[in-house]
Amino acid sequence: KQEVTQIPAALSVPEGENLVLNCSFTDSAIYNLQWFRQDPGKGLTSLLLIQSSQREQTSGRLNASLDKSSGRSTLYIAASQPGDSATYLCASFLTGGGNKLTFGTGTQLKVEL
Amino acid sequence: GAGVSQSPRYKVAKRGQDVALRCDPISGHVSLFWYQQALGQGPEFLTYFQNEAQLDKSGLPSDRFFAERPEGSVSTLKIQRTQQEDSAVYLCASSLAGGPLDTQYFGPGTRLTVL
Repeated sequence: KQEVTQIPAALSVPEGENLVLNCSFTDSAIYNLQWFRQDPGKGLTSLLLIQSSQREQTSGRLNASLDKSSGRSTLYIAASQPGDSATYLCASFLTGGGNKLTFGTGTQLKVEL
Repeated sequence: GAGVSQSPRYKVAKRGQDVALRCDPISGHVSLFWYQQALGQGPEFLTYFQNEAQLDKSGLPSDRFFAERPEGSVSTLKIQRTQQEDSAVYLCASSLAGGPLDTQYFGPGTRLTVL
C-alpha cells in the first residue's frame, strides 16, 4: 500500500521568503505526482502535475521536482506572499493502482506580513 | 462554467441516523470520485464511478457506506446508522475521462459531524 508523508506538518514564514515543502512516498511505481492547494472551506485546487518520466514542472512562482528512485518530491515556492497561506497536499497516482489518488497528510503554510 | 458542487455543505447527525450527501459534477465529466478527509489528514479514496458504473469501491470503510450515480451525472453518498468515527469532510471530484492524465476537479466538500 502506498504511504505518502509530508514534512513539515506546519510552517510559518515571513513574507518574501523562499520555501520548500517535502513529500515522500514508499512505492516508486507511480504514474504521476501532483501537488494540490486546499483553502479552508474550499475544495482542492491542482497546482502542478509531474509525470513519472519528468523531473520537474514550473508554474509561476511554483516549482515541483520529482525523484522517483528516492521516492521524493519537493514543492518550491519563491517569494512567498500572504495569499499563499493554505494547506498543501501531494498525491500520487500508482501505476496499476486504479483511478485513485493517494494523498499525503499535508503541510499547513502560513505566510505572515 | 460551474465547478463541482456539493450539498449540504454542513450536516450534523445524531449517532444512528442515516445521511445522504449529494455531488453535482462538472457537466460532461465521465468520472466521479468520492474521498473522505478526517481532521488533520489528507483525503482518502472511497469510490469511483465511470458514468453510472461503480468501478472501484475498495475504499468504502464498511457496508454502511453506499454510493450511487444512477444516470451518470449526480451522485449520492449514503451513510447508514452513522457512527462518531464517520465525522469527516466528504469530498467529491470529477474528471473528464478519469485516467491519470486527467485533472480531478474537487468540490468544496460536505462536513459531517456525528454527535
